[in-house]
Amino acid sequence: KAGVTQTPRYLIKTRGQQVTLSCSPISGHRSVSWYQQTPGQGLQFLFEYFSETQRNKGNFPGRFSGRQFSNSRSEMNVSTLELGDSALYLCASSLAGGTGGHGYTFGSGTRLTVV
Amino acid sequence: SQQGEEDPQALSIQEGENATMNCSYKTSINNLQWYRQNSGRGLVHLILIRSNEREKHSGRLRVTLDTSKKSSSLLITASRAADTASYFCATDDNAGGTSYGKLTFGQGTILTVHP
Repeated sequence: KAGVTQTPRYLIKTRGQQVTLSCSPISGHRSVSWYQQTPGQGLQFLFEYFSETQRNKGNFPGRFSGRQFSNSRSEMNVSTLELGDSALYLCASSLAGGTGGHGYTFGSGTRLTVV
Repeated sequence: SQQGEEDPQALSIQEGENATMNCSYKTSINNLQWYRQNSGRGLVHLILIRSNEREKHSGRLRVTLDTSKKSSSLLITASRAADTASYFCATDDNAGGTSYGKLTFGQGTILTVHP
């Protein structure tokens, strides 16, 4: 079956702009989580969506937001980009947002560079 | 925030040798998982161990969990050049009983296996 698809793979944006990243989970999975990975802070949880509802949120400013559609595809948006937002953004797919004995399936990520 | 420490930060070995990585965490957990990441790509789930388990095997992987010490170790036996990657432990926390879709990651160990 198809894996988790993240688009685009690479993005270059200018400070102050906004960006939207997309994640299509594995078919049948209803939970999508988002993570930011940077060399300094490592992997940090952004938020989780299940059935179009945000159920959990990490410690990120309000410039980071997301949504989920009825087909479980999710988007995250970052407004007013800052240089520090440069990172690899990963999404993870699961049946219901708990590991249930199985790990999460991650996408290949979107590499965002802010200049 | 990071859950804890992984050590060593970097490990360099020859093909055929065993590699051991350690992970410590801070809170009570539902389970602990190990992931591999190649060159800044997506994370690949390797193995999950529940909080009531002490040891688990999967192929060349062996994971131990000591909840009294809040620590885990990952052993890769008979390593191959293809095992070269970053390895992360991640905890599914039991903080307040609800942690939808959230894993808390360690800082990772960079493993290099020389042919």
